[in-house]
Amino acid sequence: EVQLVQSRAEVEKPGESLKISCKGSGYTFSNYWIGWVRQMPGKGLEWMGIIYPGDSDTRYSPPFQGQVTISADKSISTAFLQWSSLKVSDTAMYYCARRTHGGRGRYYFDYWGQGTLVTVSS
Amino acid sequence: DIQMTQSPTSLSASVGDRVTITCRTSQSISDYLNWYQQRPGMAPKPLIFAASSLESGVPSRFSGSGSGTHFTLTISSLQPEDFATYYCQQSYSTPGTFGPGTKVDIK
Repeated sequence: EVQLVQSRAEVEKPGESLKISCKGSGYTFSNYWIGWVRQMPGKGLEWMGIIYPGDSDTRYSPPFQGQVTISADKSISTAFLQWSSLKVSDTAMYYCARRTHGGRGRYYFDYWGQGTLVTVSS
Repeated sequence: DIQMTQSPTSLSASVGDRVTITCRTSQSISDYLNWYQQRPGMAPKPLIFAASSLESGVPSRFSGSGSGTHFTLTISSLQPEDFATYYCQQSYSTPGTFGPGTKVDIK
């Protein structure tokens, strides 16, 4: 059974660093892109970026480029999302999701983690 | 980046109603369009990929159509568990932007 299990909720202060994780199981982790999606309180889904664990090829959405770092360690089947200096505006639920191939080059997110709630408050 | 719009923003419907949600893109994306359902407090789940292909395990009352810049998600007979927010997403180019969502609630 494919599963993505994310790290627990975090409460941090502005300016602090943070790294959250997403561990895959039930499939060959290296062979599928993992994406990160932000959902701010009461708002919609935002595509942040995506990584291919096999070679760590990473793509970012422009609003998130330079604001977060996406990485992966294929030896432990885990992807990461990290901040070097959190802002109050980073308060949100963060989901990881596996991108699969639906045929003819059509990709979509088929499995999602349960989400990690990050709260940034002084 | 490709911009996405959805209409309506929200709708109220009754069990058994036929519901249609529209998604439009700022440029042609062929059929690189996906639909997701998100129930309150839950992670999104895929419903439709490649505009009209039903994800495994999704009830057949859900269907998708469209190509180019205009797409629709139809629920043929709304069930109690379908009250949720629905998002379209394009996978034609990076970033794979999501639409703003359509909330379906009980009339």
